[in-house]
Amino acid sequence: EDKVVQSPLSLVVHEGDTVTLNCSYEVTNFRSLLWYKQEKKAPTFLFMLTSSGIEKKSGRLSSILDKKELSSILNITATQTGDSAIYLCAANWVGKLQFGAGTQVVVTP
Amino acid sequence: DVKVTQSSRYLVKRTGEKVFLECVQDMDHENMFWYRQDPGLGLRLIYFSYDVKMKEKGDIPEGYSVSREKKERFSLILESASTNQTSMYLCASSPVPVTKETQYFGPGTRLLVL
Repeated sequence: EDKVVQSPLSLVVHEGDTVTLNCSYEVTNFRSLLWYKQEKKAPTFLFMLTSSGIEKKSGRLSSILDKKELSSILNITATQTGDSAIYLCAANWVGKLQFGAGTQVVVTP
Repeated sequence: DVKVTQSSRYLVKRTGEKVFLECVQDMDHENMFWYRQDPGLGLRLIYFSYDVKMKEKGDIPEGYSVSREKKERFSLILESASTNQTSMYLCASSPVPVTKETQYFGPGTRLLVL
């Protein structure tokens, strides 16, 4: 059965800390893995990763996929209160996305 | 700018009512999707559509139906709402294929069934 598992389910950190979120996937016909950030409403796209293993970066966020381990990590450095959100990962296969349950991140001042 | 809109942000219905959730995208995307999101379960795919008048079941289609009469509009129908359908419903669209592009999400409809 296809599945995407995220860990941890939630965490609380202080401003300035570094956060590492994990996503493992088991899907047939895997094409790519996507990370989204969801605050109060619609998920917004962060990164798309493929089996090329190339790291993606955007400001304080970075992500990479390990095709041997069938997993990906999302790093957030120097966290800010505005990083508080649910972070979702999703495996893309045959044009559909299989989502994980999400990781709720709370950044306290 | 990419835009996906949903007809309501909040909706309260009674058990047994027929409920329509509307989604409109202005990007001329072929693919449209309906998800529900529940705490601890993430987003689960209900139905999707690759073209007008075309629909396919997702992971949890029971109790739902959909309609796509026009390319830009994808409707989710709850024929007889039940309390276990209380959830956040998200619509998304994407061009074909979803390899270089992501899915774009609407703001969501939070449905409460009493």
